[in-house]
Amino acid sequence: RKEVEQDPGPFNVPEGATVAFNCTYSNSASQSFFWYRQDCRKEPKLLMSVYSSGNEDGRFTAQLNRASQYISLLIRDSKLSDSATYLCVVNGSSASKIIFGSGTRLSIRP
Amino acid sequence: DVKVTQSSRYLVKRTGEKVFLECVQDMDHENMFWYRQDPGLGLRLIYFSYDVKMKEKGDIPEGYSVSREKKERFSLILESASTNQTSMYLCASSFSRTSGSYNEQFFGPGTRLTVL
Repeated sequence: RKEVEQDPGPFNVPEGATVAFNCTYSNSASQSFFWYRQDCRKEPKLLMSVYSSGNEDGRFTAQLNRASQYISLLIRDSKLSDSATYLCVVNGSSASKIIFGSGTRLSIRP
Repeated sequence: DVKVTQSSRYLVKRTGEKVFLECVQDMDHENMFWYRQDPGLGLRLIYFSYDVKMKEKGDIPEGYSVSREKKERFSLILESASTNQTSMYLCASSFSRTSGSYNEQFFGPGTRLTVL
């Protein structure tokens, strides 16, 4: 089993829709969690951190469920510019224990 | 604005050649990382450095070595390139050397290496 797993997608949704995807992790001792966004042929960039109490930033909401060991990302009122690959990142006990998921591809259609 | 630069965007080398990939960051970050990114496998950590001349192996260090002689520069070396090292190589840097803490990683634009 991979340490961090994501549905690769692609998720193909119409503009304005709400879309959500999850990321599961296997190490219950994982300490911090993040979502990165990677545009086609570009480098990953931090989208948002995921806190135990949840985190909202405009149209984006991230949640952590420690009991079931997954994090989620919800995008409301999706825009064409949201089309990208979303990478889940899980951090363990040290900076060298940062695990990236393989990403979920999202495509927003007009 | 943090900037991480990599020496080449595209590189083509032959099997057996020695390959140097260089990464420079301008934000005085302590941590620097080298990843490779392959379809379906995501980013995998090759090596990590938390200070000058310090390095730690990541998940897939075999066939690679690194050098960090200056804080701003982290080099990845393929001693004898092989076709299975064809990949996208991404360098990243972050602030903080505290074990267990994590700060935002800033990535360079990547080097697409093809080994023939």
